[in-house]
Order: sequence, then structure tokens, then C-alpha cells
Amino acid sequence: GAVVSQHPSWVICKSGTSVKIECRSLDFQATTMFWYRQFPKQSLMLMATSNEGSKATYEQGVEKDKFLINHASLTLSTLTVTSAHPEDSSFYICSAWTGQDTGELFFGEGSRLTVL
Amino acid sequence: DQQVKQNSPSLSVQEGRISILNCDYTNSMFDYFLWYKKYPAEGPTFLISISSIKDKNEDGRFTVFLNKSAKHLSLHIVPSQPGDSAVYFCAALGGFKTIFGAGTRLFVKA
Repeated sequence: GAVVSQHPSWVICKSGTSVKIECRSLDFQATTMFWYRQFPKQSLMLMATSNEGSKATYEQGVEKDKFLINHASLTLSTLTVTSAHPEDSSFYICSAWTGQDTGELFFGEGSRLTVL
Repeated sequence: DQQVKQNSPSLSVQEGRISILNCDYTNSMFDYFLWYKKYPAEGPTFLISISSIKDKNEDGRFTVFLNKSAKHLSLHIVPSQPGDSAVYFCAALGGFKTIFGAGTRLFVKA
């Protein structure tokens, strides 16, 4: 089946630094990619939707200047957490849509961010 | 072997009533579940998710219930609106894999 890869799977950084997380569709072109955040023991929260070559659409309450999303190609989307703080520590997951009308949405394995 | 099943290919509901979409799974190792909907020729729209340690999650008109002992989850939409007419997919995530149901087409009649 289709594979979506995230990198890094785990990152620790100091407060105030920026961290970039990559989401790649390995064997298909992703028209649309989604970024989610999961707080401990909570459900996924959709952060933003990005279409290749256009600006991401952010969900209400998500700071677009803090969580920069770039979808520069059909196989790569990046999420940059700028000036990270401990409250940004979370599990970030991406998903990618093939563009097919079957509706299949493939998820990455997630990236755990810990901000010290 | 289908690990995630949506046994009803379609469902028709009157506007204002409750829509209940069902999903069954076989693997107890799934970490969380989510629902999303899709209109024809458009991308999927994420609706709601639930962690495997919860049994209910509510967001506006959408509520997802998880019954781990029965390996069953359901999506309730109350009240249903004509704009809710779409195909609804459930998906289960676990072990870096995503398993999808086949989808249920919901028709909400005005």
C-alpha cells in the first residue's frame, strides 16, 4: 500500500529554536497533505490543510506564523515549529491524499517533539 | 481479510434527524480511529478522531463513540443537514499503518 514517511520521528530541541518536520509520500503524488497534532491521551486535532503550490489553510486557533507549512512538491510537505516552547511539545502527524476518488488518506508514523 | 469494515454502503436520513454511521474493526492494537468525509471530486475532510483510551469524543454536531470490547465505533451526526451528504470513511491507525473502511454514502433528505 501507499506509504507516507515522516522525519524525524523524534526530536528534542531547546526553547526558542525552530524545528522542521518533513512528510513525504513515498510512492504516490499527494495532491493534498494534512497536519495534525495529538496531545497526550487526546485525539488528533487537525492543524492545517495544504495543497501543493498554494498556501496552507489553517484551522481556527492554530497560529500560522508559528506553525509554518510548506507544500513545495507533490511528494513533500514540511511543518516548521518556529521559536518552539515547551507547550509545543506534542506528537505531530501528517496525512496525504492521493487525489483519487477512492478517498484513501494515508498517514505518516508521526513525529514526537519535545521542547526543553 | 478486512481489518476495518463499514458494512453499510449507504444510509438515507431525513434532515434534522440523527445519522449513525458504523465501523467495525478486528485488530485490538489500533491506537486511534478517525472519521473523515469526502465529496465527489474533492479532497477528504477530517471530521473527528478518538484515541483508543477514550470511549467518546464530541465536536459540535459530530460525536464518535468507541466500544473497545465490541471493536466497534460509530459516528453520530445530530442534527443531520443536507450538506452532510457525502461518503464517510472510518480509518484505524496503529503500528504505523492506516487501515480504511470502504466508506458509507450518506444521503440527507431535505
